[in-house]
Amino acid sequence: AQSVSQHNHHVILSEAPSLELGCNYSYGGTVNLFWYVQYPGQHLQLLLKYFSGDPLVKGIKGFEAEFIKSKFSFNLRKPSVQWSDTAEYFCALVSGSARQLTFGSGTQLTVLP
Amino acid sequence: DAGITQSPRHKVTETGTPVTLRCHQTENHRYMYWYRQDPGHGLRLIHYSYGVKDTDKGEVSDGYSVSRSKTEDFLLTLESATSSQTSVYFCAITKTGIHTDTQYFGPGTRLTVL
Repeated sequence: AQSVSQHNHHVILSEAPSLELGCNYSYGGTVNLFWYVQYPGQHLQLLLKYFSGDPLVKGIKGFEAEFIKSKFSFNLRKPSVQWSDTAEYFCALVSGSARQLTFGSGTQLTVLP
Repeated sequence: DAGITQSPRHKVTETGTPVTLRCHQTENHRYMYWYRQDPGHGLRLIHYSYGVKDTDKGEVSDGYSVSRSKTEDFLLTLESATSSQTSVYFCAITKTGIHTDTQYFGPGTRLTVL
């Protein structure tokens, strides 16, 4: 069965430092991966996705992620975080004939002003 | 984003009462899903639908049923609500394309079972 792990449950940073959030997956089929962001009180929004091709994927709001097949990882990065990046971040893997998602448990990012 | 609305947005109910949540989409997407979100668990799939009258169970389907009589509507029913079903419920659709199947989410329904 497929699974997604996000080992950092809560990350607290000050503005400006770079960010890397970990995501590891387990799946025996073709890998399609996503990062979603959920701002306080809002629904999930798509940050970026990987289907095939270039393993370095660029998304919205300056985020990027790198798919490393040998490490079963899809870590999310941003060069410089701001207070407005405070949110919960979810990594997800698509599987099944109905393209359903398996989510990691999420990482709560708090950026201090 | 994908023309998804959910109703109601907030509901408080009592243990043992039936509850139905509605998801409505305006873009005629084939696949629809219901997830629940709980702290420390991320989102977990309850039920999903391949199309009209074609549904299947997800990871946490016990205590829930669904129906899809029209393409645009996907209903989630709690036959007899329990406190463990207090959660935020999200509906989603998949926009399909070549190498671009992507799920988009509705605004969510916050359900409290007392």
